[in-house]
Amino acid sequence: ETGVTQSPTHLIKTRGQQVTLRCSSQSGHNTVSWYQQALGQGPQFIFQYYREEENGRGNFPPRFSGLQFPNYSSELNVNALELDDSALYLCASSLEVGRAGEQFFGPGTRLTVL
Amino acid sequence: DAKTTQPPSMDCAEGRAANLPCNHSTISGNEYVYWYRQIHSQGPQYIIHGLKNNETNEMASLIITEDRKSSTLILPHATLRDTAVYYCIVRVEESGGSNYKLTFGKGTLLTVNP
Repeated sequence: ETGVTQSPTHLIKTRGQQVTLRCSSQSGHNTVSWYQQALGQGPQFIFQYYREEENGRGNFPPRFSGLQFPNYSSELNVNALELDDSALYLCASSLEVGRAGEQFFGPGTRLTVL
Repeated sequence: DAKTTQPPSMDCAEGRAANLPCNHSTISGNEYVYWYRQIHSQGPQYIIHGLKNNETNEMASLIITEDRKSSTLILPHATLRDTAVYYCIVRVEESGGSNYKLTFGKGTLLTVNP
């Protein structure tokens, strides 16, 4: 069974640029969530996708957007990057929305915005 | 979701039991207690969860007080690899419901010493 994978592992961008982060869910999981983790803080929920539809969103502006594909893989897109967007971005998959307390996290993508 | 309070850090000797406390005095009757941990530079890892009965799995035991206002995660024989940030999370668990996110605090940094 393949776990959650994310790409790239590290990324450096400059302010104002756009970035796309990718996530492959654990086999059989139909729900994917994205989290942002700033240094020294716990992960903060960005949004969740279930069967290709956004199923909930945290307190993040619209320039954070996402997609989920038929194979349940997912993308996180961030436009107009700001310095404060520098963080570890985590993807987590789970088997069923509403029973998503047990989430399986990937290793994350470390984004640095200069 | 109910707010949780955890000590910022704890130490434990290798081979001894690690007892990590969590206060959740405003927990509601339908909220579960979840524990995750995050080893440095990795994504969070699910450990265990429970509603009101004590739970045990291959990783840990979860003891929830009778009034459910606090809980303790027990690692029975801590090893150096258990050094991590441990997060206590309370959330409603419902099938097909709208509670889709995990709300992380800052957690407890457990350091296991040789």
